[in-house]
Amino acid sequence: DGGITQSPKYLFRKEGQNVTLSCEQNLNHDAMYWYRQDPGQGLRLIYYSQIVNDFQKGDIAEGYSVSREKKESFPLTVTSAQKNPTAFYLCATTQGPEQYFGPGTRLTVT
Amino acid sequence: AQSVTQLGSHVSVSEGALVLLRCNYSSSVPPYLFWYVQYPNQGLQLLLKYTTGATLVKGINGFEAEFKKSETSFHLTKPSAHMSDAAEYFCAVSQGGATNKLIFGTGTLLAVQP
Repeated sequence: DGGITQSPKYLFRKEGQNVTLSCEQNLNHDAMYWYRQDPGQGLRLIYYSQIVNDFQKGDIAEGYSVSREKKESFPLTVTSAQKNPTAFYLCATTQGPEQYFGPGTRLTVT
Repeated sequence: AQSVTQLGSHVSVSEGALVLLRCNYSSSVPPYLFWYVQYPNQGLQLLLKYTTGATLVKGINGFEAEFKKSETSFHLTKPSAHMSDAAEYFCAVSQGGATNKLIFGTGTLLAVQP
């Protein structure tokens, strides 16, 4: 069963803690993306990676970090430096013009 | 720089009525255009896309969109709304190429009244 998995679906953390969101794909796609979604703001690009061991900052990378050690995996770490981390986070892959999205992780930081 | 504008953050229609969701874009090169649908607490699902060729594109669930270069528009339509169409809809533009970055509009929440 091919697709993109994100875990967990809901995540709760205390302010000041780093947290890592998982994104795994078995579509054999080269490129992977992380977006943040806030109400009324659409999706904003955090980081993207076109190949293993390489990634680039998106429009709102401050306070986030990523790694791409395997083609299948692109984890996102939300650090304590991110001022407003509570949001819905979406991972996507692409092999062609369109992007395919995972189910998302809703992160709540209190 | 590319951008996308979706007119109307909330649209309400009656079941069986025409659905029209508006999207205008700006791009310095021929764009690739997309419509995605999102149900609550879920990821985005591709409804349809325009890359090249026929300007009227048909998608899933009876939706279609027409690329009008002269109007820089890519409006989404469906002749008859169904209750299951209630969701948020996002228009997006991409230049394609190596990075294939998408620029999204702010979304339109569609409500369908019985």
